[in-house]
Amino acid sequence: GAGVSQSPRYKVAKRGQDVALRCDPISGHVSLFWYQQALGQGPEFLTYFQNEAQLDKSGLPSDRFFAERPEGSVSTLKIQRTQQEDSAVYLCASSLVIRDTQYFGPGTRLTVL
Amino acid sequence: EDQVTQSPEALRLQEGESSSLNCSYTVSGLRGLFWYRQDPGKGPEFLFTLYSAGEEKEKERLKATLTKKESFLHITAPKPEDSATYLCAVQGPSTGFQKLVFGTGTRLLVSP
Repeated sequence: GAGVSQSPRYKVAKRGQDVALRCDPISGHVSLFWYQQALGQGPEFLTYFQNEAQLDKSGLPSDRFFAERPEGSVSTLKIQRTQQEDSAVYLCASSLVIRDTQYFGPGTRLTVL
Repeated sequence: EDQVTQSPEALRLQEGESSSLNCSYTVSGLRGLFWYRQDPGKGPEFLFTLYSAGEEKEKERLKATLTKKESFLHITAPKPEDSATYLCAVQGPSTGFQKLVFGTGTRLLVSP
């Protein structure tokens, strides 16, 4: 079946612009996670949803970062007033149920100029 | 705080030259240890989950083992297509048994 998909795959933004990154999880997966991966580093947790409820947003680096999953399926990660330090790959993962194996999408590479 | 340390940072092997990657972890009440493979420009691809010390899992040329302090990913007679970054991650009570805490990975290059 189809895996996790993310769009766009690449995004270039000028400093100060707002961006929106989309994640389509595997159909039927209840849990959805966002991670940030800097070059040469492992992914770092940003936020987690169970269905439409955002249960943990402790990894969001600032109040410029906002995530939503209004219908319990597709999720959007929004970054307002982007800064150069926001440049990274943003990964989305989903799992069938809580604590189950997380399957990752291909990521969105964000470059802020 | 949960921590994961992977070594070496990079490893270069000749085709057929077996070796092991190490993942040392500090977590109270480990729920699971995960191995992923990541190719350039792609997301991590799930390989194994290990739940308790002494557990072993195999897939083709890869074998993962787990002790109370570390995990090893053994690669037997590697091929060039095994070249990738291998990531280790843990899940435990301090992360709510939800989010994964990753190491920085081992970049493996297998030459023909």
